[in-house]
Amino acid sequence: DVKVTQSSRYLVKRTGEKVFLECVQDMDHENMFWYRQDPGLGLRLIYFSYDVKMKEKGDIPEGYSVSREKKERFSLILESASTNQTSMYLCASSLSGGYYGYTFGSGTRLTVV
Amino acid sequence: AQSVAQPEDQVNVAEGNPLTVKCTYSVSGNPYLFWYVQYPNRGLQFLLKYITGDNLVKGSYGFEAEFNKSQTSFHLKKPSALVSDSALYFCASGRNYGQNFVFGPGTRLSVLP
Repeated sequence: DVKVTQSSRYLVKRTGEKVFLECVQDMDHENMFWYRQDPGLGLRLIYFSYDVKMKEKGDIPEGYSVSREKKERFSLILESASTNQTSMYLCASSLSGGYYGYTFGSGTRLTVV
Repeated sequence: AQSVAQPEDQVNVAEGNPLTVKCTYSVSGNPYLFWYVQYPNRGLQFLLKYITGDNLVKGSYGFEAEFNKSQTSFHLKKPSALVSDSALYFCASGRNYGQNFVFGPGTRLSVLP
């Protein structure tokens, strides 16, 4: 089975800190995604990547950046954490082609205080 | 633009009764349709998908879904609900290369003992 591993389940950070959320997948998937999930707002795409060193903005990229130096790893960076970035962050990966579906990590619940 | 709708925020059903969680889609061409389930503080787990072929798709945990092209629907069903089915359910549509998934807003299913 494909595994998508997010480095932390729960994280508490202070306002203004630089925060790194790490995601690693072990099945050679080309595509990787970062979503945030908030009550009443569903899943919102932050950034995605179709290949190493490649990144594309999703629907809500402001305040975030990403890094994909290796195929298996996709990092989400909060440059200066703010309280409105308190959320559940979900990483996903997939093969190319819409019929494969996404495999999600367990999520990181980030609280910014 | 493609979109996925889940018209019910919440579905309540008694244990042992059949359940239906509704999904409609708006996608040009032939869609790839998926159902995911999310338990509290977890990532999304794949339940089932429709790509082509038989309109009735069977998936994990006794769930099934029926693809109806004329009604552009892909409703999730289970003949006999369990309390452990209580969770958040997401319908999603994928398409061709270069196009990301579109997720519905989610439906919270509560199965009452």
